[in-house]
Formats: sequence, structure tokens, C-alpha cells
Amino acid sequence: SQKIEQNSEALNIQEGKTATLTCNYTNYSPAYLQWYRQDPGRGPVFLLLIRENEKEKRKERLKVTFDTTLKQSLFHITASQPADSATYLCALPGYSSASKIIFGSGTRLSIRP
Amino acid sequence: KAGVTQTPRYLIKTRGQQVTLSCSPISGHRSVSWYQQTPGQGLQFLFEYFSETQRNKGNFPGRFSGRQFSNSRSEMNVSTLELGDSALYLCASSLTTGSGDGYTFGSGTRLTVV
Repeated sequence: SQKIEQNSEALNIQEGKTATLTCNYTNYSPAYLQWYRQDPGRGPVFLLLIRENEKEKRKERLKVTFDTTLKQSLFHITASQPADSATYLCALPGYSSASKIIFGSGTRLSIRP
Repeated sequence: KAGVTQTPRYLIKTRGQQVTLSCSPISGHRSVSWYQQTPGQGLQFLFEYFSETQRNKGNFPGRFSGRQFSNSRSEMNVSTLELGDSALYLCASSLTTGSGDGYTFGSGTRLTVV
């Protein structure tokens, strides 16, 4: 069955530095990958979608890469700010059904001033 | 435009009772998915509805059920509640299904079973 792995340990970054989060997946080749942000007690918020034929996608201070050979996506936040502190989730369409979106367990990011 | 609305926000129920949670998607969105989120298991897929039809179901017991109405509003029901059902239940809507459209999530219903 498909597996999505995100770094379960929290990531602590100094303000102004670039935060890099990793999402690894196994056992199949998804057509796309999504990234979400979740704050405590709230639902996830969609950030970016990257498709299998795209190597990189940018949105303001966010950059996502998608390496289908390594089966890995990297999520970068440049010039990080304390307000970027949250849990970041990657998500993939299900192996058996593209409309069943499966989420990774998320990585908690803390940006210290 | 209005976001995804979930009601109620908080709920406390006793073991053995049943509960119904409601979700109103963004206007025009026809796909509604439900997720259960717990600290230990993360976001677990429950089911997805599109145009009143259940398209997918996750690995949950039959006590968990749902439906979608003609106006795309959706409800999920959990019968014979167990302590382990305590969780944040999230509803997500999207314009279509299977295309990669990002989900818009509601704020969730926090269910506590005592």
C-alpha cells in the first residue's frame, strides 16, 4: 500500500532562514502532490499543488519541488517568520482512487525570533 | 464567499450514543470529503461524496456513515460511540473530484466521547 512519510520531529528555525520540509512517498507514482498548512484546532489550509510534470512551483515565499525519481517533494519557506509556525502536511491522491486524498502525518515548524 | 461550515463546533457524547455532524461546502463545490484527526493517527480518510454518491470509503467500521444531499450539504453519522471516536472531524470541499483541486477545510467538529 502507499506510504507517505514526513519528518515527525519538529523543525526549529531561526527567523529569516529558509525552512525545508520533506515529504517522501512509496509504492506508486502520483499525478500530483499537495501541501497544506494547519494551525492548532483549525482545519488545514491548501497552499500549493505540483503536478508530476512540474519540477518546481513557487508562490510568494514558498517553493515546492517534486522529484518523481526519488519519490520526494521538498517544501521551502524562504525568509521565514514566526507567523509561519504551524504544522505542514503533504497530501497525495490515493493509489486506488485519485479522488481519495491521503495525508502525511505532518511536520511541526517553529520559527523563533 | 462563505467558507466550509461545520456544525456543531464542539460536542460531548456518552459511550453508546450516536451523533450526526453537518457540513455545508462552499457554494458550487460538489465534492465533500470527511476526515478524522487524532494526535496519534493524523488525518484519516473517512469518505468522499460527489453529486450525492459515495465515491470512496476509508477503513472505518460500519458505525461510520454519511450522506450528501442535492444541495451538496453533507452529514456524517457515528453510531454506538466508543471512547476511541474522540477526535476532530474535518470536512473538506472541492469543486470537482480527482483533479487535484485543493481542498477547502472547515474548522471541524471536536467530538469528545465520555
